[in-house]
Amino acid sequence: GQNIDQPTEMTATEGAIVQINCTYQTSGFNGLFWYQQHAGEAPTFLSYNVLDGLEEKGRFSSFLSRSKGYSYLLLKELQMKDSASYLCAPLDSNYQLIWGAGTKLIIKP
Amino acid sequence: GAVVSQHPSRVICKSGTSVKIECRSLDFQATTMFWYRQFPKQSLMLMATSNEGSKATYEQGVEKDKFLINHASLTLSTLTVTSAHPEDSSFYICSASLGTSGGLGGGTQYFGPGTRLTVL
Repeated sequence: GQNIDQPTEMTATEGAIVQINCTYQTSGFNGLFWYQQHAGEAPTFLSYNVLDGLEEKGRFSSFLSRSKGYSYLLLKELQMKDSASYLCAPLDSNYQLIWGAGTKLIIKP
Repeated sequence: GAVVSQHPSRVICKSGTSVKIECRSLDFQATTMFWYRQFPKQSLMLMATSNEGSKATYEQGVEKDKFLINHASLTLSTLTVTSAHPEDSSFYICSASLGTSGGLGGGTQYFGPGTRLTVL
């Protein structure tokens, strides 16, 4: 079957660094996306990894290990506006995104 | 780039009426459009995938006669919720993709802002 595993909720402090881990099992693999979703809003695209390694984009970085079925999203210099759910979504062999419930990140002052 | 609009953003209707939601890709031609539904504190649930000019592919458990999808052009897809009932109240989100051909990021979905449907 297809499965996504992320922590349900995480808490971090403003200005700090947080890493959100994701493990996945899919039928085939064509890359992995990270999306951010604020409460009551639609998801917005953050990153896409298809090769192993780290992709850095400003304060956000995403890492992928295909052999381990593992990815993480690293958020640096946390801001209050980063409070949101973060969705790890691998793309399966049919190029269909597989969605988990996401990780709710709470930023405290 | 890659802006997707959705209209209306919010709709309240009486039970038994039909509601049409429009999804438009504003600055690109979308090979494929997706319709999702999301209940509070739950993950996105894919309802259907549509390609321009062809019939939509519905996910298991989604009634195609109740949720009518039309993908008339490369920039417009519509979802019509027919004979809406209170249990259809949800957050409906569309996304658009350039498709999977070539290059990194193929398959990236860009989301519209969503439509919150309340059926009384």
